[in-house]
Amino acid sequence: KAGVTQTPRYLIKTRGQQVTLSCSPISGHRSVSWYQQTPGQGLQFLFEYFSETQRNKGNFPGRFSGRQFSNSRSEMNVSTLELGDSALYLCASSRGLNRGSEKLFFGSGTQLSVL
Amino acid sequence: GQQLNQNPQSMFIQEGEDVSMNCTSSSIFNTWLWYKQDPGEGPVLLIALYKAGELTSNGRLTAQFGITRKDSFLNISASIPSDVGIYFCAGHGSGNTGKLIFGQGTTLQVKP
Repeated sequence: KAGVTQTPRYLIKTRGQQVTLSCSPISGHRSVSWYQQTPGQGLQFLFEYFSETQRNKGNFPGRFSGRQFSNSRSEMNVSTLELGDSALYLCASSRGLNRGSEKLFFGSGTQLSVL
Repeated sequence: GQQLNQNPQSMFIQEGEDVSMNCTSSSIFNTWLWYKQDPGEGPVLLIALYKAGELTSNGRLTAQFGITRKDSFLNISASIPSDVGIYFCAGHGSGNTGKLIFGQGTTLQVKP
């Protein structure tokens, strides 16, 4: 069974630009969650999508948004990039229901550098 | 953002030694999970715990769900060089949600 796939692996952008990251979950998983990982703040929850709807949201500004498609693939968008947005962005998938919602399986991440 | 208190922050040990790390929270969790992250990769799930007092093993790894539901422990026995990495604890609340609260991580280095 293929794991969680994230593209691209690396991105370099400049301040003010916007970026879109992509995530393909494990087959059969309906939930996709996004996390930001930085040395200072660690792993922080951005948001979760389940059946094309945002089910949970963390404490990030509105510049961070996402969506989920009918095949459960998800995209995350960051607009008006700031230097502080430089981070490893991780996508995780899970079954999304009952006992399966908490067992998250992570992709390798997208390393975003904002210059 | 909210984080769990994970200790120690780093460990440098000799191959063959046992390792212990713990995680505490001010809130109760229904599930505790332990992940390992290698450089350049995402966290990999090691163990999931679902009941207070539960003790679960995965090879040389043993984790426990604290009785108070506010803490968890991970032990690694007879460490080997490939155990090197960052270990994270994570807590999950109730309901259907992909939101986990993570600890700051314990960086483990093993000297052959």
